[in-house]
Parts: sequence; structure tokens; C-alpha cells
Amino acid sequence: DIVLTQSPLSLPVNPGEAASMSCRASQRLTHSDGYSYLNWYLQRPGQSPQLLIFLASNRASGVPDRVSGTGSGTDFTLRISTVEAEDVGIYYCMQALETPKTFGQGTRVEMK
Amino acid sequence: HVQLQESGPGLLKPSQTLSLTCNVSGDSTRSGDYYWSWIRQPPGKGLEWIGYSYYSGGSYYNPSLKSRVGISMDTSKNQLSLKVKSVTAADTAVYYCAREDAFSGYVESWGQGTLVIVSS
Repeated sequence: DIVLTQSPLSLPVNPGEAASMSCRASQRLTHSDGYSYLNWYLQRPGQSPQLLIFLASNRASGVPDRVSGTGSGTDFTLRISTVEAEDVGIYYCMQALETPKTFGQGTRVEMK
Repeated sequence: HVQLQESGPGLLKPSQTLSLTCNVSGDSTRSGDYYWSWIRQPPGKGLEWIGYSYYSGGSYYNPSLKSRVGISMDTSKNQLSLKVKSVTAADTAVYYCAREDAFSGYVESWGQGTLVIVSS
């Protein structure tokens, strides 16, 4: 199975500041078709996860442009340019290159 | 806009069979554009992908659960089902029904989830 390692596990931020988190894969997630099969999700407290970013850098419908995803190969990053209260929760990366699909352990974002 | 709603018993005893149903509205499970899957999350822990089923009847399961799990679809009722045999306390989790993009593999819609507790 592909192992995804996220860091940091906890990320305290002030409103209005930028936030960045990492997801590292145990093998390359960039396919020969050029796409990287890495996705990002946010799980707000008490809610189901919701899709933020698919194929490493594509924002899902309704996701604000202050949220962005970058990366290829084994190293991926999610950035929030200006953190707002609604960004609090646990961020998971998920690989869809191979089955079984696997998730990282999550990065918890909380307000200072 | 697709909606996914899980239902089933919330409390089981060890060795029993977990059976959940997911009602799909706003889309047809006959669509070849999607896989229909189950994902679970033990309380306070991370996410585990269980497997998916496809409208043609095909399915794939996580090898960690393969010997105990079954996913099926009833396209006439627009429903997805999950069965997990011989449950233990380790199967206690919130179980999510989800829709995956068949071409890129990402999970793009989730149900609200249903908590299943296994306890004697």
C-alpha cells in the first residue's frame, strides 16, 4: 500500500495568516499521463470530509482561491493564503493512483 | 447535486454481521462516470478506504478487509450496500458512503456518515 505522511500534525494559526502543510508519499503519485493522483480534503468538526483539491492542484467547486495545492512525484503541499475561522478542522491527503486508496493521518488546523 | 444517506443498526455484538445501506438521490447509480464506495473512520482517528462497487457489478476491496467485506449495488433502488462479517470492537467507526470519479479516482461526494458501535 502507498503510505502518505503528513506534516505537521498540528498547525496553530492566527486569522489572516498564511498556512502550509505537507503530504509525502512512499512512492511517486505522478502517472505517465502527467497527472498526479493526490487529493486534499477538509473535515470540519462534526462533519463529513469535503473535497478541496483533486489531481494535486485543481480546486473543487466552491473552494475559495485562497486555497491552493502544488506538488508532483512524492511531495505535495496545501497552502491557505489567508486563514479564516471556517478553515479550522483536519486536512487529509488521499492518493488515488493505486488501490487500495489510502489517506494521510491528517493535519489539524486550529486558531491560536 | 447528489445526496448520499447511510442507514443501518448502530449497535452490534462481536461476531455479528454489519449491514449498511446507502440511498442515493440526485444521480443514478447506473452512471458509468462514478464508482460507489465505502470509507470508515474510527472515533477520533483517520480515514480508511473499504472498497467500491461499479454499476456493472464489479467491485474492489481493501485487502485489509477483503475476507470479511462485501459491497453490492441495487441500481433499481439506487442503493449501495455494505456487509462486514464477524465484526469486532476494531470495526467500531463512522461509516461513510461516497461517490468517486471513475476516471481520476478522487472521492468527490460523501454521505453524512453513520456510527456503528461493536460492543458486548
